Amino acid sequence: ETGVTQTPRHLVMGMTNKKSLKCEQHLGHNAMYWYKQSAKKPLELMFVYSLEERVENNSVPSRFSPECPNSSHLFLHLHTLQPEDSALYLCASSRGRGQDTGELFFGEGSRLTVL
Amino acid sequence: AQKITQTQPGMFVQEKEAVTLDCTYDTSDPSYGLFWYKQPSSGEMIFLIYQGSYDQQNATEGRYSLNFQKARKSANLVISASQLGDSAMYFCAMREVLAGNQFYFGTGTSLTVIP
Repeated sequence: ETGVTQTPRHLVMGMTNKKSLKCEQHLGHNAMYWYKQSAKKPLELMFVYSLEERVENNSVPSRFSPECPNSSHLFLHLHTLQPEDSALYLCASSRGRGQDTGELFFGEGSRLTVL
Repeated sequence: AQKITQTQPGMFVQEKEAVTLDCTYDTSDPSYGLFWYKQPSSGEMIFLIYQGSYDQQNATEGRYSLNFQKARKSANLVISASQLGDSAMYFCAMREVLAGNQFYFGTGTSLTVIP
């Protein structure tokens, strides 16, 4: 069982569809993150959850809606997306958000294509 | 100003040779951490090495070493004895403690190892 698992690995959706990305971590971490990775740009932090509470939302459009039902699971609900939302969405976890959080552990990402 | 700058979009290295990937950073936080991640074509970001801002010695992990020059704000990654499996994207990242342990990533360097 890998540390951070993301499903689906690939997703193609139309602009009117509703879909969800799922992330699960088996590391006992308290913080989980969603990042967006577009070509030739630095990773963009989207959301941070610490102990199941959203602690950061980096001005992400409302068509992206995160959900963290428990410390092991994180979802990203998608609706009425735009073609420019096509990217690799990476989930990550870390020990916490306080001192000595350690490194981020990443999943393999969900490659999203919006038509 | 960018927090992390990686000026080499692409690098080539002969198998078994050493290669240095450049990274400079910008912070006024006295306490920070520097990280290098490897991203193969599968998508997963793999943690390679960490250097704390107060660490006196350069970090080493197997074939990876981090050339930390604090006054110059550089944190170059050195890969010794390159292997074909080292071909991947490499990302430099920084965590600022006072900024709530926010992570900042560079745009990455694509490394190709030539047989």
